[in-house]
Amino acid sequence: GEDVEQSLFLSVREGDSSVINCTYTDSSSTYLYWYKQEPGAGLQLLTYIFSNMDMKQDQRLTVLLNKKDKHLSLRIADTQTGDSAIYFCAELRAGSYQLTFGKGTKLSVIP
Amino acid sequence: ETGVTQTPRHLVMGMTNKKSLKCEQHLGHNAMYWYKQSAKKPLELMFVYNFKEQTENNSVPSRFSPECPNSSHLFLHLHTLQPEDSALYLCASSQDARNTEAFFGQGTRLTVV
Repeated sequence: GEDVEQSLFLSVREGDSSVINCTYTDSSSTYLYWYKQEPGAGLQLLTYIFSNMDMKQDQRLTVLLNKKDKHLSLRIADTQTGDSAIYFCAELRAGSYQLTFGKGTKLSVIP
Repeated sequence: ETGVTQTPRHLVMGMTNKKSLKCEQHLGHNAMYWYKQSAKKPLELMFVYNFKEQTENNSVPSRFSPECPNSSHLFLHLHTLQPEDSALYLCASSQDARNTEAFFGQGTRLTVV
């Protein structure tokens, strides 16, 4: 498809793991990104993965990339209330300046 | 603090007004971007500047006019806007227009009345 797809909502209990999923559009995309947007704020780059990698881990964050299925996921271990935000998946298509974003997944963390 | 600063944070303007949004980056980047974030829609890229030259204009109406006087500053001049232009306008910068790592400002929440 033409759109980057994400579920709109996810609720988890504090201390549990969160997994946010994304399906992107272009198998030749070079970089895949996760951005976080807290209420009233701009986008904060959380992490990104180059397309020749399968996995990237950064502290509580684990990114998994399945190029065959064009599937990207973000796992947040030991989710905290401060992780409540909207998480955007984005792809950088080969030969393009343009980041293509999903509509975002709103993560709600229940204390 | 991401190194990209946008002013004002909030703006309310009438349809006949002229206003400007300002973006400044302190990261030494050479590429700057304007994005529009509307409710329930993906972020939309509006303009790209690379080394002060506009390299992309995503079919944006002429009532939005960008200006990039130097690599650190980016403006978005607004005139005769419509209510549907109300949105969060986000500025971003990256080392160059390959955009491998873009940093965003906090945005200007624009309301057109």
